[in-house]
Amino acid sequence: GAGVSQTPSNKVTEKGKYVELRCDPISGHTALYWYRQSLGQGPEFLIYFQGTGAADDSGLPNDRFFAVRPEGSVSTLKIQRTERGDSAVYLCASSQLAGVGNEQFFGPGTRLTVL
Amino acid sequence: EDQVTQSPEALRLQEGESSSLNCSYTVSGLRGLFWYRQDPGKGPEFLFTLYSAGEEKEKERLKATLTKKESFLHITAPKPEDSATYLCAVQSNDMRFGAGTRLTVKP
Repeated sequence: GAGVSQTPSNKVTEKGKYVELRCDPISGHTALYWYRQSLGQGPEFLIYFQGTGAADDSGLPNDRFFAVRPEGSVSTLKIQRTERGDSAVYLCASSQLAGVGNEQFFGPGTRLTVL
Repeated sequence: EDQVTQSPEALRLQEGESSSLNCSYTVSGLRGLFWYRQDPGKGPEFLFTLYSAGEEKEKERLKATLTKKESFLHITAPKPEDSATYLCAVQSNDMRFGAGTRLTVKP
């Protein structure tokens, strides 16, 4: 596709439920990134993939968060036992290559609300 | 720990009134400094990458500059369509964003 797409655009869930957020990167981009953005703040890094493998997952807040990219394209961010504090916009970005100076192209985000 | 601080938090300008946004950073081993624009309800849109002190880049009414401690985004004769949040990010081992400057340009 022309840009990074994310689904769903909005997700409302109840505390304790499991959610999956999907990201379709720009075709041919090998690096994929997940961020979380709270109101009035900049994006906060969660994890990035180079190909199929998680190259850096140091930003994942705890073991309730997990992400996969099994075929090196689409990625899914999975959140178990959601908490109200998980409410935020989850952004996905992709870049042609990982590393220095490679600009990241962002999707529109998924707004997650945990009631 | 890497830190990125943007100022001011919010800026209101009249159309045509030039100004600058600041991004101060402390990072071990800067690999790149990025400016993004973010409109409400959308993801950040890439504007510039700067790599080394003294570097400048321009795009339409925007010009980004970089020193060893900070970057400025200069906006010349802004228009209402320049209203957005402008985000600065530094890349060392990972990408760290500032909280952004919310710019409003009144006609």
